[in-house]
Amino acid sequence: AQSVTQLGSHVSVSEGALVLLRCNYSSSVPPYLFWYVQYPNQGLQLLLKYTSAATLVKGINGFEAEFKKSETSFHLTKPSAHMSDAAEYFCAVSGAAGNKLTFGGGTRVLVKP
Amino acid sequence: GAVVSQHPSRVICKSGTSVKIECRSLDFQATTMFWYRQFPKQSLMLMATSNEGSKATYEQGVEKDKFLINHASLTLSTLTVTSAHPEDSSFYICSASSEGGGSNQPQHFGDGTRLSIL
Repeated sequence: AQSVTQLGSHVSVSEGALVLLRCNYSSSVPPYLFWYVQYPNQGLQLLLKYTSAATLVKGINGFEAEFKKSETSFHLTKPSAHMSDAAEYFCAVSGAAGNKLTFGGGTRVLVKP
Repeated sequence: GAVVSQHPSRVICKSGTSVKIECRSLDFQATTMFWYRQFPKQSLMLMATSNEGSKATYEQGVEKDKFLINHASLTLSTLTVTSAHPEDSSFYICSASSEGGGSNQPQHFGDGTRLSIL
């Protein structure tokens, strides 16, 4: 069984400030981890994925995430927030059961000017 | 690359109507397609997984006779909400993945369909 917990349903940051979105997972098999972004009334866009290669994963739009097995975490960061980063972010995990994804509850990011 | 087109983007119809939603992979062959439902301000809940040419696998609690899924080709899957009622109103999102069975293959999502049943 797999699960994902995203700490904080809402995060507010100032433009130019660090963005940190937390994700912890539980998996009985080596996990594959993903971060997706969702803009209003749209589907999900893949930001980045961890597939057991490098533990620090760089994605699109300046985002990156670090896989820490000891902490069962896969936190998403961006050094400097832009207004266009305002959106909902989802962490997801898949495992041996094909590529079926289990999503976290999502974190809504608000960027203040 | 990896574009998934979902149609229609919005549907408003009367109670009792059946509604069909299409999900197409435009530039790749989707061995596996997934259908999700998302309630306002909530996460995505997987409804079913479909593999081309075989019956869909439904998640627990999802009525297969209510939500008919067809995956007749490697580029098209359809979800039909039969005899829709107001409680079926939701945002439905499809996704597609190539090389089915590969856990590290990302899913590519359509833009969703907002279904409103009056």
